Amino acid sequence: DAGVTQSPTHLIKTRGQQVTLRCSPKSGHDTVSWYQQALGQGPQFIFQYYEEEERQRGNFPDRFSGHQFPNYSSELNVNALLLGDSALYLCASSLVGVVDTEAFFGQGTRLTVV
Amino acid sequence: DQQVKQNSPSLSVQEGRISILNCDYTNSMFDYFLWYKKYPAEGPTFLISISSIKDKNEDGRFTVFLNKSAKHLSLHIVPSQPGDSAVYFCAASARVGGAQKLVFGQGTRLTINP
Repeated sequence: DAGVTQSPTHLIKTRGQQVTLRCSPKSGHDTVSWYQQALGQGPQFIFQYYEEEERQRGNFPDRFSGHQFPNYSSELNVNALLLGDSALYLCASSLVGVVDTEAFFGQGTRLTVV
Repeated sequence: DQQVKQNSPSLSVQEGRISILNCDYTNSMFDYFLWYKKYPAEGPTFLISISSIKDKNEDGRFTVFLNKSAKHLSLHIVPSQPGDSAVYFCAASARVGGAQKLVFGQGTRLTINP
């Protein structure tokens, strides 16, 4: 049973560029959430996708956008990269409507903006 | 506004003894709490959880205690083993129309000394 997979694992981008990160949820899961983890901090919620729509959003600017495909996989896009966007980006999957259950995380994509 | 706080950035415990990790929260709407463990270069791995209707949940060496009046939870690991050395994140969830959004603490780095 494949868990949550993310690609790429590492990425270096230049300030001002755009980046796309990808996530495949755990088999059977239909909801994908994205988190940003800065160095020394806990993960912070960016947004959540279900049925190909953004359902919830955290306190992140519009430069952060996403997409969910019919097969439940998801992309996170960040435009006009800033040095402060350097972080570990985590994808988590879960099953909507199943209460009190854990979210499963991928290994993350380490983004470095130079 | 840090809704979930882990006030100890690090903790060092002797192998075989008890490890106690603490977490405080401020939002009364949180109704489900989780502990995740994270090794370097890996995503967070679910450890144990507790619903707000309970005050204790036990799974092998791991026990989570919830004190709702104090808005405090703790994770007890006994006996502690070298493989328990990792960063531990406390997370809280409030369901809004479906799948959960997790709010994380800053993490506590646990080191188990042989």
